[in-house]
Amino acid sequence: AQSVTQLDSQVPVFEEAPVELRCNYSSSVSVYLFWYVQYPNQGLQLLLKYLSGSTLVKGINGFEAEFNKSQTSFHLRKPSVHISDTAEYFCAAQRGTGGGYNKLIFGAGTRLAVHP
Amino acid sequence: KAGVTQTPRYLIKTRGQQVTLSCSPISGHRSVSWYQQTPGQGLQFLFEYFSETQRNKGNFPGRFSGRQFSNSRSEMNVSTLELGDSALYLCASSLEGGNTGELFFGEGSRLTVL
Repeated sequence: AQSVTQLDSQVPVFEEAPVELRCNYSSSVSVYLFWYVQYPNQGLQLLLKYLSGSTLVKGINGFEAEFNKSQTSFHLRKPSVHISDTAEYFCAAQRGTGGGYNKLIFGAGTRLAVHP
Repeated sequence: KAGVTQTPRYLIKTRGQQVTLSCSPISGHRSVSWYQQTPGQGLQFLFEYFSETQRNKGNFPGRFSGRQFSNSRSEMNVSTLELGDSALYLCASSLEGGNTGELFFGEGSRLTVL
């Protein structure tokens, strides 16, 4: 069975500082990995995804993530955060072989709080 | 291009009642998924429909059901509501029914059960 663990429930950071949000996954089959962001009272928005190929993936709003198969990790990074990045971030996994059918397994979420 | 539209946005029900939530996907999207979001359990997959067929189902009791119409619009129904059903119900659509995981989410329907 797949599972996704987000190692930090909350991450406070000052504006313009770098940030890393950590995500580990477990799966007996190949997986696709995603990061979504949720702003207050809104749905989720896809930041970036890893399906195959280059292990460094770039997303919207200056975010990037690195897929590390040996460490089963998919950490999200941004070199310089803004106040507007304050939101909840979710790491998610989906079965990479047939039958995934848009069934995402989400982590518990990391609340990023950017302070001036 | 209009996004995923969910109605109603907010609703309050009492225990034992039933509720129907509606989701209109992005035009051209044929796959619709439903997720439940609660503070305790986080985001959990309910079910997924593609071309009016349920292809995948999460671990929820039979009180939770759904359907998809020929125009790809989807509804989910919860019968005999319990306090624990209070949650944000999110609908997501995707262009294809495959495994890309690129889901477009609506803003959700927030259900409160009293």
